[in-house]
Amino acid sequence: GQNIDQPTEMTATEGAIVQINCTYQTSGFNGLFWYQQHAGEAPTFLSYNVLDGLEEKGRFSSFLSRSKGYSYLLLKELQMKDSASYLCAAMDSNYQLIWGAGTKLIIKP
Amino acid sequence: ETGVTQTPRHLVMGMTNKKSLKCEQHLGHNAMYWYKQSAKKPLELMFVYNFKEQTENNSVPSRFSPECPNSSHLFLHLHTLQPEDSALYLCASSQALAGGTDTQYFGPGTRLTVL
Repeated sequence: GQNIDQPTEMTATEGAIVQINCTYQTSGFNGLFWYQQHAGEAPTFLSYNVLDGLEEKGRFSSFLSRSKGYSYLLLKELQMKDSASYLCAAMDSNYQLIWGAGTKLIIKP
Repeated sequence: ETGVTQTPRHLVMGMTNKKSLKCEQHLGHNAMYWYKQSAKKPLELMFVYNFKEQTENNSVPSRFSPECPNSSHLFLHLHTLQPEDSALYLCASSQALAGGTDTQYFGPGTRLTVL
């Protein structure tokens, strides 16, 4: 079956760095998406990786290893506004997104 | 950004009521989606429309009925729902389903409570 695993909850300190991991098993693979969702709001697109390696976008970076079925989202210089849920989703061979349950990130001062 | 809007934002209904959720996208996209989001569970894809044609129905109970009159509007008609249908219902849109890896853009959702 198809499956996405990511931690349920993580806690980090303002100004620090946090890495949110995601492992996936899909029928075929057409890329890996990360979304951010603040409580009561829409998920918003953060990044898309289809090739191995690190993609950097400001304070946020996303990494993909296709051979390991693994991705992570790296958040640097954490701010209180980064408190949110982070959703990992892999696109399968039918171009359908398979979603993880999300990682709730709590930032403490 | 208000590229995808949803109304109402909150809805409380009894099991015998009939209601409709509305989604509108202002991004010029051709594909629209309905998702169900329950607490601590992955997003569940319900329906997909591509150029107004339904291309996906993920074994959704018939008490949920989608309607897509044009590429900018999507409705979800609800009738005789069950308490376990209480959830956040999210609408999303993307450029088009043509074998491409389109990014989906989401609306803020309708928080539905079934009593």
